[in-house]
Amino acid sequence: DQQVKQNSPSLSVQEGRISILNCDYTNSMFDYFLWYKKYPAEGPTFLISISSIKDKNEDGRFTVFLNKSAKHLSLHIVPSQPGDSAVYFCAATDDGKSGGSNYKLTFGKGTLLTVNP
Amino acid sequence: NAGVTQTPKFRVLKTGQSMTLLCAQDMNHEYMYWYRQDPGMGLRLIHYSVGEGTTAKGEVPDGYNVSRLKKQNFLLGLESAAPSQTSVYFCASSPIPTGNQGGELFFGEGSRLTVL
Repeated sequence: DQQVKQNSPSLSVQEGRISILNCDYTNSMFDYFLWYKKYPAEGPTFLISISSIKDKNEDGRFTVFLNKSAKHLSLHIVPSQPGDSAVYFCAATDDGKSGGSNYKLTFGKGTLLTVNP
Repeated sequence: NAGVTQTPKFRVLKTGQSMTLLCAQDMNHEYMYWYRQDPGMGLRLIHYSVGEGTTAKGEVPDGYNVSRLKKQNFLLGLESAAPSQTSVYFCASSPIPTGNQGGELFFGEGSRLTVL
């Protein structure tokens, strides 16, 4: 049973426009969420995170929104650039404060973003 | 700045052979992890370690063993390789547990393993 779901395998946008990548989760114990970016033949790199006590976190062109009641988060990239073309993984974990394990990240399957010049 | 280094980068094995993947990190991180990535499956945790001398099972541990004899190294072993273990393997480390701000994973470049 997949606990973190990225239902769009791919997304294509024009340079300068907004990219919105979506992620849903089913495990109500998850309370810390992260986005990773992966280029071909490289390891994933951390992009941005959000704790469940917030509903928004912004870092430059990247903003993550969290809707806990819907168990949904999204990553917005504005404006999108060709260098943003990569696979984006959503990941979730328990922060451990309620006795769960905060050692393990559960990843979604990823969304391939292509930004066209 | 080496970060997380994995060796080898590529390997082809025959069914039944054994091998060890080595992960080394120079960031003095306590926590280390082995993931595998398969097409359409995302990243799945194989084993992890919360400190030198400790190991624990992740989501897909069967067929693998690990050791953390030194803080900077985390070894992943395949005792008898099977075609189902064909995958890209990623090692990662973090300074604190991943559920905390600042506990983000630092990944190596990956090791592509093919089992014939």
